[in-house]
Amino acid sequence: GQSLEQPSEVTAVEGAIVQINCTYQTSGFYGLSWYQQHDGGAPTFLSYNALDGLEETGRFSSFLSRSDSYGYLLLQELQMKDSASYFCAVSGTGGFKTIFGAGTRLFVKA
Amino acid sequence: GAGVSQSPSNKVTEKGKDVELRCDPISGHTALYWYRQSLGQGLEFLIYFQGNSAPDKSGLPSDRFSAERTGGSVSTLTIQRTQQEDSAVYLCASGAAYEQYFGPGTRLTVT
Repeated sequence: GQSLEQPSEVTAVEGAIVQINCTYQTSGFYGLSWYQQHDGGAPTFLSYNALDGLEETGRFSSFLSRSDSYGYLLLQELQMKDSASYFCAVSGTGGFKTIFGAGTRLFVKA
Repeated sequence: GAGVSQSPSNKVTEKGKDVELRCDPISGHTALYWYRQSLGQGLEFLIYFQGNSAPDKSGLPSDRFSAERTGGSVSTLTIQRTQQEDSAVYLCASGAAYEQYFGPGTRLTVT
């Protein structure tokens, strides 16, 4: 079967660094994407890794290890507005099909 | 338009009725996806369209669900004989498989 696993909840304090892990088991793989979703809002694209290594976009970075079927999203200098759900997603599980993880709820405390 | 739009934003229907949900993707995007999200849950893939290729319908939960995309642009998701378990937010997205732009969703409530 196809599955993505990520922690259900993570709590961190403002200004800290937090890492959200994602492991996947899929029949095909083009790359790993990350999305942010605030309560009541639509998911918004954050980053994408097709190759091994680290991709940096401002305060957010994403890492991929294809050999380990593992990736993570790193959020630095946490702000209260970062409180949201974060989803990892694998594309290429069958053509252009994309499978999403169940999401990680991030709580940022003052 | 600037982004993906969906209509209606909210739909309340009685069990057994049919509903149609509409999605207007970003102009020029050839890929269009439909997902379903229940409260506090992840996104469940339903169907995607890519250009003129046959759609991937592998995520549709039953034959009560169908979707079409006309002229490579607007898409309609139809749910026939709605059931209470169909209650969810239905999200549409367009763009590349690895970078999708989502609409605001349609919240469907089946009473």
